[in-house]
Amino acid sequence: QVYLQESGPGLVKPSGTLSLTCTVSGVSIYTSNWWSWIRQAPGKGLEWIGNIYHSGSTFYNASLKSRVTISVDMSMRQFSLKLNSVTAADTAVYYCAVQDSVGGLPRAIYAWGQGTLVAVTS
Amino acid sequence: VLTQSPSASASLGASVNLTCTLSRGHTYYGIAWHQQQPEKGPRYLLTLHTTGVRYKGDGIPDRFSGSSSGAERYLTISSLQSEDEADYFCQTWDSGIQVFGGGSKLTVL
Repeated sequence: QVYLQESGPGLVKPSGTLSLTCTVSGVSIYTSNWWSWIRQAPGKGLEWIGNIYHSGSTFYNASLKSRVTISVDMSMRQFSLKLNSVTAADTAVYYCAVQDSVGGLPRAIYAWGQGTLVAVTS
Repeated sequence: VLTQSPSASASLGASVNLTCTLSRGHTYYGIAWHQQQPEKGPRYLLTLHTTGVRYKGDGIPDRFSGSSSGAERYLTISSLQSEDEADYFCQTWDSGIQVFGGGSKLTVL
């Protein structure tokens, strides 16, 4: 069974960089899965941020692309999210997740981390 | 791309259908359904294609099922229990890009 755990600071200052890591267990990060970040602002729906394959290929949400970097560290069984120039609008619960694939492209999310709240505040 | 009714309600022990509607040009796409109970993270329920349910999440009861008709993707929950009161999100994918529906809040009466 796949297990995903987010970690990182719960507070980030405005204009700073939000950095989170997701540690994967129960499945090899080398498989045909894609590794994703999704966020949920308080009282709002789910917003996809981006995803990454073990090769380093990525897809990003166009609305966040200029500020987002997702990377993977296979030796550590981790993948990471960096979001720069944050504002209060980036305050949200951040989830990591895993997707299966078809034709080499990501498909359905089939497991989620428990989520971590990140507040952007001075 | 994905449209969901904001809310639905049904009585304890009854059945309910939640709908996720794909926009024109995407009517043959598959989707996944996810459940989010209050104050919890999302949980994967099942993957649904035009031909029916392709996969289900580990431990998901048989009470949860899915079906498709044209652009509509349905999640049917039978024998409703109190713990089914939750938000339900659909998710689809297109050339690597992921999209979520706005979610449907299910109230169990």
